[in-house]
Amino acid sequence: AQSVTQLGSHVSVSEGALVLLRCNYSSSVPPYLFWYVQYPNQGLQLLLKYTSAATLVKGINGFEAEFKKSETSFHLTKPSAHMSDAAEYFCALNDMRFGAGTRLTVKP
Amino acid sequence: DGGITQSPKYLFRKEGQNVTLSCEQNLNHDAMYWYRQDPGQGLRLIYYSQIVNDFQKGDIAEGYSVSREKKESFPLTVTSAQKNPTAFYLCASSMFGSLIDEQFFGPGTRLTVL
Repeated sequence: AQSVTQLGSHVSVSEGALVLLRCNYSSSVPPYLFWYVQYPNQGLQLLLKYTSAATLVKGINGFEAEFKKSETSFHLTKPSAHMSDAAEYFCALNDMRFGAGTRLTVKP
Repeated sequence: DGGITQSPKYLFRKEGQNVTLSCEQNLNHDAMYWYRQDPGQGLRLIYYSQIVNDFQKGDIAEGYSVSREKKESFPLTVTSAQKNPTAFYLCASSMFGSLIDEQFFGPGTRLTVL
């Protein structure tokens, strides 16, 4: 069975601090992994995706994620949080299976 | 501009009524999807379609129906058989519907059952 688990439904960081949002997956086939961001009452937009070309993937707005097969993880990071990063973030597996989401709060 | 439009943005329904949510895309994408979003549960797949006149059930298809008569349109009907339809509904499309394709999302429709 394929599944995605996002650890932590809420993450709070201070402006300028490191952002780390965790995603673990389970897949019986080679996975394609995605991170999406959702602002309130809007649809989702793609931050980045892993397609097996490189394990470290860079996305928009300074985000990046590293695919670690041994840990079945695809955690999302950003070195320095900005107030505009406050949103909900979703990890997705193979195009149609989404995690429960992590709401990121950025404190001034 | 290319994109996905959903209408209406807000929809109110009385119990026992069927309602249809509209989704249109001008991206020339083959695949289209409907998701339901509830707080703390992420997105759950209702139906998807990879080609005109064909569609498949997702994880929570009961109480919903769809059609795909045109490439650009994928309307979702929430029937009276859906026991708890109040939710945020998102439509998406992708170029070919393969596992590697990113999805493009519409702005969503918030359905409230009164």
